[in-house]
Amino acid sequence: RKEVEQDPGPFNVPEGATVAFNCTYSNSASQSFFWYRQDCRKEPKLLMSVYSSGNEDGRFTAQLNRASQYISLLIRDSKLSDSATYLCVVTPNSGYALNFGKGTSLLVTP
Amino acid sequence: EAGVAQSPRYKIIEKRQSVAFWCNPISGHATLYWYQQILGQGPKLLIQFQNNGVVDDSQLPKDRFSAERLKGVDSTLKIQPAKLEDSAVYLCASSSTRRPPGTVYEQYFGPGTRLTVT
Repeated sequence: RKEVEQDPGPFNVPEGATVAFNCTYSNSASQSFFWYRQDCRKEPKLLMSVYSSGNEDGRFTAQLNRASQYISLLIRDSKLSDSATYLCVVTPNSGYALNFGKGTSLLVTP
Repeated sequence: EAGVAQSPRYKIIEKRQSVAFWCNPISGHATLYWYQQILGQGPKLLIQFQNNGVVDDSQLPKDRFSAERLKGVDSTLKIQPAKLEDSAVYLCASSSTRRPPGTVYEQYFGPGTRLTVT
């Protein structure tokens, strides 16, 4: 079983739609959780950290359920510029190497 | 602030040849990582350095891959001999060991080296 599993996608949505990505992780000792964004042929970049209390950054909301070992990312009012691959990331603690999921591809269409 | 630098950006070699990649982290970042990203997959850690010491190389195929960070700054990753399955993007990342309260140790990635083995 892979340590981090994500919906494979691709997700094709129209502009303005709300889209949700899910991720599960197998290591219950994991302490830090992130969503990274990776544009085509570019390096991954940190989108947001994920906390048990949930956190929001503009149109993006991330949630963590430690009991279910489940992480989610919600994007509201999708923009064309949101088209990218979204990588779910888990790590034993901040400062350790990142364990990435395969990523979920999002294409937002006009 | 300058980002993580990597070179070359692209490399095409034949199987059984050797290749080396270079990474210069963000100035002052003590921790350096090498990741391998195969097409359609997420990045996978190959090796992590703290200054010039190895923290984790458990997923580095040591029969063919080697890496060093002799002076605790820039790093080199080598593959010798290369196999077809080594075709991937090799990403270098760095992070600081200091952070403001309430923040995480963010890893900053370089643009990667795209390796094609034929």
